[in-house]
Amino acid sequence: QQQVKQSPQSLIVQKGGISIINCAYENTAFDYFPWYQQFPGKGPALLIAIRPDVSEKKEGRFTISFNKSAKQFSLHIMDSQPGDSATYFCAASHGYGQNFVFGPGTRLSVLP
Amino acid sequence: NAGVMQNPRHLVRRRGQEARLRCSPVKGHSHVYWYRQLPEEGLKFMVYLQKENIIDESGMPKERFSAEFPKEGPSILRIQQVVRGDSAAYFCASSPSTGNNEQFFGPGTRLTVL
Repeated sequence: QQQVKQSPQSLIVQKGGISIINCAYENTAFDYFPWYQQFPGKGPALLIAIRPDVSEKKEGRFTISFNKSAKQFSLHIMDSQPGDSATYFCAASHGYGQNFVFGPGTRLSVLP
Repeated sequence: NAGVMQNPRHLVRRRGQEARLRCSPVKGHSHVYWYRQLPEEGLKFMVYLQKENIIDESGMPKERFSAEFPKEGPSILRIQQVVRGDSAAYFCASSPSTGNNEQFFGPGTRLTVL
């Protein structure tokens, strides 16, 4: 029940295209869903996060779509750029101060 | 404003030695989390600490691993008698005592056990 599933494992997108990464969870107690971006040799950096009381959140080129009934959420990267090439992790937690459960990651490559 | 700092960035140990990893949280943050990342895998929670207290150590192996976050100084993750399977990147994250759930990650310590 603590698992967060993530797909695809890897993704190749042309410059200017839309990158879509999907995550699913089982634990209905989860109430905070962040996305992290990680470049090789670096720590994860928070991109955007959402709570289940909204269905969508947009920040610049990054959008989270959240489907509470399906227990799924996704990250959309519009106008993908080569600089977006990184590994993306979704995560979930329940309650303030609790640890994150991370998905296994998606390696995104944006071709120039 | 300094973010989460971790040192050393790279650590090489021989089997049986001790590894000591340090983490200084964002100034003013009182919650510290340690995660482990194996190559090509996601991050796995190890332990959650507040000042002088271990709140949740459910993800930490019962033997050889210990963590502390003293009143003064950095948080320390200590691995005794390291084995090759301990080779991984260890990340520390911190969050404030109030507000939202955001966790800010450090650059990690990459441990290699020979």
